[in-house]
Amino acid sequence: GAVVSQHPSRVICKSGTSVKIECRSLDFQATTMFWYRQFPKQSLMLMATSNEGSKATYEQGVEKDKFLINHASLTLSTLTVTSAHPEDSSFYICSALTGENTEAFFGQGTRLTVV
Amino acid sequence: TQLLEQSPQFLSIQEGENLTVYCNSSSVFSSLQWYRQEPGEGPVLLVTVVTGGEVKKLKRLTFQFGDARKDSSLHITAAQPGDTGLYLCAGTSNSGYALNFGKGTSLLVTP
Repeated sequence: GAVVSQHPSRVICKSGTSVKIECRSLDFQATTMFWYRQFPKQSLMLMATSNEGSKATYEQGVEKDKFLINHASLTLSTLTVTSAHPEDSSFYICSALTGENTEAFFGQGTRLTVV
Repeated sequence: TQLLEQSPQFLSIQEGENLTVYCNSSSVFSSLQWYRQEPGEGPVLLVTVVTGGEVKKLKRLTFQFGDARKDSSLHITAAQPGDTGLYLCAGTSNSGYALNFGKGTSLLVTP
């Protein structure tokens, strides 16, 4: 299957700082990527849809100014958590659609801890 | 947002037992996918079902898509400890490509 790589896998940052998470499609081009957030023992919650070359579409209740998404190329989308707070600590996962747009492949996730 | 209800939420069984996980919605999906996720990792795609009434088998796992494309089930035969994990169903609506996930079924298979 298609490979999606997320970096970093774990990050610890201080309150008030910003953290950037990268999502790369390694062996295919992805015009659409998605960002999810997952709390312990819970399912994935869609945060936003990232479209190459255009603004991301955010789900209701997700602050676009806090979670900045950039999809500058067909193989890279980034999520920047700005002015991070402890409540932003979570598991963030990206996924990318293959060319057929019927299957999404996921990155390995990024564990963010804000102290 | 189209809602997917999964049941049961938690399941603890012994090795060798059979189990079924259900995924239901009031909405029609153009396709439905099943994923398995282990702690600290991203979900891994198990199968995609597209046609109403479709049945797919993956070794000891049998997936079924309802005739009306609103529900699906995952049946595991002779469960093994390696089957332990979070099983997630996700649907793609006719109007978009974003996946909506069910809450997941946390499965624990003990030796």
